[in-house]
Amino acid sequence: KAGVTQTPRYLIKTRGQQVTLSCSPISGHRSVSWYQQTPGQGLQFLFEYFSETQRNKGNFPGRFSGRQFSNSRSEMNVSTLELGDSALYLCASSLVGTGTYEQYFGPGTRLTVT
Amino acid sequence: EDKVVQSPLSLVVHEGDTVTLNCSYEVTNFRSLLWYKQEKKAPTFLFMLTSSGIEKKSGRLSSILDKKELFSILNITATQTGDSAVYLCAVVSGNTGKLIFGQGTTLQVKP
Repeated sequence: KAGVTQTPRYLIKTRGQQVTLSCSPISGHRSVSWYQQTPGQGLQFLFEYFSETQRNKGNFPGRFSGRQFSNSRSEMNVSTLELGDSALYLCASSLVGTGTYEQYFGPGTRLTVT
Repeated sequence: EDKVVQSPLSLVVHEGDTVTLNCSYEVTNFRSLLWYKQEKKAPTFLFMLTSSGIEKKSGRLSSILDKKELFSILNITATQTGDSAVYLCAVVSGNTGKLIFGQGTTLQVKP
């Protein structure tokens, strides 16, 4: 079974631009969560989507948004990029059946904002 | 506020040593606790713990959860250089699967 895939793997943007990252979950998984990982803050939860609905949201500004499509693929968008948005963005998918919360991570998208 | 705290933050050992990594948590509506290993890429899943006192084992790694004292430990016996990584502990809060991560423990195993 193929794992979680994320595109692109690397991205360089300048301040003020916007960016869209994509995540394809493991086949059959309906939940997709997004995380930001930085050396200073560690792994921080951005949001979770399940059946095309945002089910949970972390403490990030409204510049960070996402969506999920009917095939469970998800996109994350960051508008008006700031230098502090440079990070590894990870998505993770899970079945989200009763008691099943194992999340499997994709390889991440390394975003650099200059 | 929900939080997960790992200790130590970093650890240097020699091959063959046994290490114990700690994870304590304060989370509303606890569902489960997960351990991940992260090398220079995405975290890879190690264990999921939901019940107290039941040890999970995978080779040289084992983990146990204490829901009364709100902590978990991850043991690695006979460490190898390939065990060098950041070990992340995360707790699932609520009914929605939201994960709250600790800061991670950076383990370096020297030959």
